[in-house]
Amino acid sequence: DTAVSQTPKYLVTQMGNDKSIKCEQNLGHDTMYWYKQDSKKFLKIMFSYNNKELIINETVPNRFSPKSPDKAHLNLHINSLELGDSAVYFCASSLFGLAGGPTEQFFGPGTRLTVL
Amino acid sequence: AQTVTQSQPEMSVQEAETVTLSCTYDTSENNYYLFWYKQPPSRQMILVIRQEAYKQQNATENRFSVNFQKAAKSFSLKISDSQLGDTAMYFCAFMKHGAAGNKLTFGGGTRVLVKP
Repeated sequence: DTAVSQTPKYLVTQMGNDKSIKCEQNLGHDTMYWYKQDSKKFLKIMFSYNNKELIINETVPNRFSPKSPDKAHLNLHINSLELGDSAVYFCASSLFGLAGGPTEQFFGPGTRLTVL
Repeated sequence: AQTVTQSQPEMSVQEAETVTLSCTYDTSENNYYLFWYKQPPSRQMILVIRQEAYKQQNATENRFSVNFQKAAKSFSLKISDSQLGDTAMYFCAFMKHGAAGNKLTFGGGTRVLVKP
């Protein structure tokens, strides 16, 4: 029944490692997003995909590479993890919504990444 | 670039009372959308209310209502008859109409504590 799911919910790893976070939505949406929430709770968009095509890339270091194998999945791979990557990463999805305006973005439960 | 400012880092309110959260934004756009999201301790992001800039009527959702002042670029949220379950972080967010990727720009958040 979960609308937007992310795995894992918690991830603890060492500096320099490579890790992936997976996201899946079963809402039939065509657009998916990654947001980062830092330790001060500030939320900022990282990427947006529409129909598997990247449409937003917000000056994120190229150590972060999103991949969308299909419309229902958007994964985030992070290479050479740094201490500053510690944060909560949220996946979200929505319909793109042109003439009628944007539709609600549904968020996943978040993945808390801790880099030691 | 758009910016969203929430000037109140924390607010507390007695159960059954009313609390108003402030939000101001800076944009040169005429058509846009504004949102309030709630993030309870569970960390799930939940849409509370949405306002289209072209609509003069303020949006309401049960106990939640907004005061949208377009000229002043102000978008405050009023929570009436506060309940313990309203304890959460509240984020104001802005989205440009027709923005590629439906990018949400968030304010820094206001922590609301409802006291019994």
